[in-house]
Amino acid sequence: GQQLNQSPQSMFIQEGEDVSMNCTSSSIFNTWLWYKQDPGEGPVLLIALYKAGELTSNGRLTAQFGITRKDSFLNISASIPSDVGIYFCAGSTMEYGNKLVFGAGTILRVKS
Amino acid sequence: KAGVTQTPRYLIKTRGQQVTLSCSPISGHRSVSWYQQTPGQGLQFLFEYFSETQRNKGNFPGRFSGRQFSNSRSEMNVSTLELGDSALYLCASSLDGGTQYFGPGTRLLVL
Repeated sequence: GQQLNQSPQSMFIQEGEDVSMNCTSSSIFNTWLWYKQDPGEGPVLLIALYKAGELTSNGRLTAQFGITRKDSFLNISASIPSDVGIYFCAGSTMEYGNKLVFGAGTILRVKS
Repeated sequence: KAGVTQTPRYLIKTRGQQVTLSCSPISGHRSVSWYQQTPGQGLQFLFEYFSETQRNKGNFPGRFSGRQFSNSRSEMNVSTLELGDSALYLCASSLDGGTQYFGPGTRLLVL
């Protein structure tokens, strides 16, 4: 099962709006990753975070590694139709043998 | 640099059969992990191979097995297929088990 709590489960937003999603855990993580998956394809890495407090951008995407190391958020600014898809957070920690554990995903739908 | 490739992309099998899926990691990557993705269970970790050795294992029955070759290519085998094995099987590679890059997946349908 999933050990990361990802929210929201789904979002339906207007084109041009900003989007925010987050992942939390009761465990401390060493790495946070954010992926996007399109239907029928594998997840594509968007942003990787390796240090507590780290804030990293990739175009319109911004993600932060929470200072407590137990959470991370992803923001998408000025959403466009191609942002549609499922966004997954993933983290690794010694507690889970450094295996990647995944959130359940946030389904993003954009109204044009 | 070429990405992770998986073959075949689509597969249809019947219950009781066995199946072998293949994954070629990014050049230079030595770690290959396998995941099963279903609508109900999300992404579930199967196992990880590093330098031809299984390094981590998820909670799947022994019908699911894998191996890794000296060139880091990996195969996953599922024996005695069940209807519930229908899923998207994803392979991900990394240099040493860190940041993982996924392939396009193999969609398996068991009838």
